[in-house]
Amino acid sequence: GESVGLHLPTLSVQEGDNSIINCAYSNSASDYFIWYKQESGKGPQFIIDIRSNMDKRQGQRVTVLLNKTVKHLSLQIAATQPGDSAVYFCAENIGDMRFGAGTRLTVKP
Amino acid sequence: ETGVTQTPRHLVMGMTNKKSLKCEQHLGHNAMYWYKQSAKKPLELMFVYNFKEQTENNSVPSRFSPECPNSSHLFLHLHTLQPEDSALYLCASSQAGRAAGANVLTFGAGSRLTVL
Repeated sequence: GESVGLHLPTLSVQEGDNSIINCAYSNSASDYFIWYKQESGKGPQFIIDIRSNMDKRQGQRVTVLLNKTVKHLSLQIAATQPGDSAVYFCAENIGDMRFGAGTRLTVKP
Repeated sequence: ETGVTQTPRHLVMGMTNKKSLKCEQHLGHNAMYWYKQSAKKPLELMFVYNFKEQTENNSVPSRFSPECPNSSHLFLHLHTLQPEDSALYLCASSQAGRAAGANVLTFGAGSRLTVL
């Protein structure tokens, strides 16, 4: 069946470097995507979203890129900080939100 | 605080116990959700309520029983659970409807359940 998935379960980056977290989706009918961040002991929190009629959207230090041709979504975090350490989920809207498995980002000082 | 409050934060229960998880949202949202989060698995949608009406039940075993008395409160009643039901149970809310944007979920911190 169609699903949302993440390419890598873990990602380790040096503080100050840029981070790229990837997500593959297979439902071509998905019209809306969200990235969530989940810190230890907390629920997932909204980071940024993008509609399917857009290729790129920027927030504060974060950028989401959508490539509908290959059904790929990425989250870029600029100048990664220790506070960015968390699990990151992508989610697609297919009526209800369907979540990927998550990527754990670890920031090394 | 996100505006969605879950209690208790931690719960340990035996397989014959009956317990309930509680969720309350202060955001004026009309849709509420229960998700199950297990280690190394995607978030699993369990139940959806829109305007207090259950609109989705994702083949959840009957030992999980949701209740939504009003649009601000959601319960998950637990009865004769199995050890494999141990997980983090997340409550979320959103504006009602399925349009893009209306589905931005605000999550609570979760209730960590351990079934012995």
